[in-house]
Amino acid sequence: GNSVTQMEGPVTLSEEAFLTINCTYTATGYPSLFWYVQYPGEGLQLLLKATKADDKGSNKGFEATYRKETTSFHLEKGSVQVSDSAVYFCALSYDRGSTLGRLYFGRGTQLTVWP
Amino acid sequence: DADVTQTPRNRITKTGKRIMLECSQTKGHDRMYWYRQDPGLGLRLIYYSFDVKDINKGEISDGYSVSRQAQAKFSLSLESAIPNQTALYFCATSDFTREGADTQYFGPGTRLTVL
Repeated sequence: GNSVTQMEGPVTLSEEAFLTINCTYTATGYPSLFWYVQYPGEGLQLLLKATKADDKGSNKGFEATYRKETTSFHLEKGSVQVSDSAVYFCALSYDRGSTLGRLYFGRGTQLTVWP
Repeated sequence: DADVTQTPRNRITKTGKRIMLECSQTKGHDRMYWYRQDPGLGLRLIYYSFDVKDINKGEISDGYSVSRQAQAKFSLSLESAIPNQTALYFCATSDFTREGADTQYFGPGTRLTVL
């Protein structure tokens, strides 16, 4: 079946530190991969996505590269800010047949950035 | 104004009561979803609807029902609430034809407590 595994949190960093949140997936075929972010008290919003192997998604200084050979989509940012404190979810969508459009989420990783 | 709205935002109820959570969207999307979020478990899909006449069960539909009253409205009901349905509930929408099958837009969530 389809599933996503992401690193457990919480992750605590100082401002300007480098961030990596690991995400690996299991899927049949060629899923699209996503990172969603949930700020305190809000719903999820799309951070970035990649739809095929070797694509790099990027937004707000965050990047993730779709690695089919390692079935991974790790999230990185070179210099985090306090405002990046949130919960980050890795997700996949497998657009075949009856599962078209469904998102499968990882458990989320809480990131806290201290000034 | 928010594109995806949920009412109520918070609800406390008692075991055995019937509860309805409502979702409305102004994005013109055909696809709507209900998820629940529990700490450490990420988001799990309850039901989804690809159009007004299409309703599908997700991973955890037992104890829930839905109604798609119109393209813009998708309600989730708990016929007889129980304490382990205490969670944060999110509605989401997506539109396959305009932006691809995958990007989902989330409402702000409804925090439900069942005593």
